Amino acid sequence: QKEVEQNSGPLSVPEGAIASLNCTYSDRGSQSFFWYRQYSGKSPELIMSIYSNGDKEDGRFTAQLNKASQYVSLLIRDSQPSDSATYLCAPSPSNDYKLSFGAGTTVTVRA
Amino acid sequence: DTAVSQTPKYLVTQMGNDKSIKCEQNLGHDTMYWYKQDSKKFLKIMFSYNNKELIINETVPNRFSPKSPDKAHLNLHINSLELGDSAVYFCASSQDLRGPYEQYFGPGTRLTVT
Repeated sequence: QKEVEQNSGPLSVPEGAIASLNCTYSDRGSQSFFWYRQYSGKSPELIMSIYSNGDKEDGRFTAQLNKASQYVSLLIRDSQPSDSATYLCAPSPSNDYKLSFGAGTTVTVRA
Repeated sequence: DTAVSQTPKYLVTQMGNDKSIKCEQNLGHDTMYWYKQDSKKFLKIMFSYNNKELIINETVPNRFSPKSPDKAHLNLHINSLELGDSAVYFCASSQDLRGPYEQYFGPGTRLTVT
């Protein structure tokens, strides 16, 4: 089993719709979770961090965490063409010093 | 006032050459990283330094040698370059090793080996 699995893309959504990105992880001790956005040809950019079970909202982004299910998700509401990018899930390690990144889900928002 | 900077941005070289990539962060962070992102876009950690001390050394050929002269700088030297080394190399930094591990990435260096 991979350490971090994300829903396979590409995910195509119409402008204004909700894009839903899923991530499961294998390390039960992970306490912090990060979502990065990477535009084509650019570096990953941190857009959301979540540490507690439940929802965390930041603008049009909502992260949801369920540690018991080892599941974290990212919702993008009112999707805009500028949201077209690859989204990387990265849980923090429990007994290691490195983040494990998922393979990423590529989102395309159709105008 | 770039937070994490890398030079060069592009590097084209021939097989067998030796090259270096430099990274600097002005965030006051203690920990720095090198990542490799291949053509499949998978981001894989190579090395991590904390306060100039090597902490993470993943299974990377010993042709790759990181050096951290101080905690604001982390360089990557690559000997005897091979075609398979072609990738984008990202430098990143975080406040420290203890978490929550928010990492900030440099713009990347696209290495092409011909």
